[in-house]
Amino acid sequence: SAVISQKPSRDICQRGTSLTIQCQVDSQVTMMFWYRQQPGQSLTLIATANQGSEATYESGFVIDKFPISRPNLTFSTLTVSNMSPEDSSIYLCSVRGDGYTFGSGTRLTVV
Amino acid sequence: RKEVEQDPGPFNVPEGATVAFNCTYSNSASQSFFWYRQDCRKEPKLLMSVYSSGNEDGRFTAQLNRASQYISLLIRDSKLSDSATYLCVVSHGDYKLSFGAGTTVTVRA
Repeated sequence: SAVISQKPSRDICQRGTSLTIQCQVDSQVTMMFWYRQQPGQSLTLIATANQGSEATYESGFVIDKFPISRPNLTFSTLTVSNMSPEDSSIYLCSVRGDGYTFGSGTRLTVV
Repeated sequence: RKEVEQDPGPFNVPEGATVAFNCTYSNSASQSFFWYRQDCRKEPKLLMSVYSSGNEDGRFTAQLNRASQYISLLIRDSKLSDSATYLCVVSHGDYKLSFGAGTTVTVRA
């Protein structure tokens, strides 16, 4: 199965700022997925990132808040913009392979 | 109603015991089913896919009941290392996954 390198692993950010999270995959994949896992809850899909086209966002998530880049088949970024404490969460990228593989997650705390 | 529901537990069991728990899903068109394991502060990792006929992987047995729309996971001969949160995951045939909130299992010595 694919190996995903996600960074940063954690960050503490001031409200109003933005953070960009990166995921690098060791193989070419058509789709990459970005999830959020809020404290004590399960994973919620934010968007699906396809190479060469705009990301597809799920209900409740918008591009202005969570812009995504997908410049090639092995890399994607998710930016959490204009952060507020409610954005404090774990953010994970994922790819489909034998089941789905997840990056190690970015633990974001907004203060 | 949540799309995937799980008993959050926790299930506290002694080493060597058997523990089993279920997950229900609301979408009858769901096609693929998985159990993931998530350790504290770690990412989810695939434990096993769940097939219509049921399947076993070592000490772990998964069952699917399409008529009642639930899947189950049974862990035999529990080890301390089995302590984790087990996520029930359902796919509707497209690429989207729906996650349960997880069932916490704690195995004590």
